[in-house]
Amino acid sequence: GAVVSQHPSWVICKSGTSVKIECRSLDFQATTMFWYRQFPKQSLMLMATSNEGSKATYEQGVEKDKFLINHASLTLSTLTVTSAHPEDSSFYICSAKTSGISDTQYFGPGTRLTVL
Amino acid sequence: AQKITQTQPGMFVQEKEAVTLDCTYDTSDPSYGLFWYKQPSSGEMIFLIYQGSYDQQNATEGRYSLNFQKARKSANLVISASQLGDSAMYFCAMREGPQTGANNLFFGTGTRLTVIP
Repeated sequence: GAVVSQHPSWVICKSGTSVKIECRSLDFQATTMFWYRQFPKQSLMLMATSNEGSKATYEQGVEKDKFLINHASLTLSTLTVTSAHPEDSSFYICSAKTSGISDTQYFGPGTRLTVL
Repeated sequence: AQKITQTQPGMFVQEKEAVTLDCTYDTSDPSYGLFWYKQPSSGEMIFLIYQGSYDQQNATEGRYSLNFQKARKSANLVISASQLGDSAMYFCAMREGPQTGANNLFFGTGTRLTVIP
């Protein structure tokens, strides 16, 4: 199946700093990428949908100025958590899908963010 | 209303036996897709199986099969011959709208499966 990578796999940062998470589709072109957030023992919550070359669409309640998403190419999307606070600590997962017949979303391995 | 409902927070199954994980969905869109993902303790989401709303036959992938009952709006996952490595969290998800759209997935709350040796 298709492979999606995320970097870093985990990060610890101080409150007030910004953290960038990369999501890459390694063997296919991803026209659409999704960013999810998962709190411990809970389900995935969609944060935003990004299409290559256009602005991301954020879900209700997600601050676009705090969670900056850039989908600069067909293989790379980035999520930047700006001025991170302890409540932003979570597991962030991206997924990617291609256009066309197969619409399966392939997920990255996730990034665990801990804000001190 | 919840789009995806998984009523079993936890399930136990004896090794080598079959287990069914329940999933019901709610949509008025005639075109939709149903997915099952496995999430082991490492956190990665592993795609298991897909069923399209217009698919006539139930999907099967190795030991995984999807019991699709459209009238009941249920899409239960059946795992046959359970293995210890099947112990994980399992999520049911739904995409509303046609396949070619940029539609996101709605996830259920998950079922934690534990396989007992």
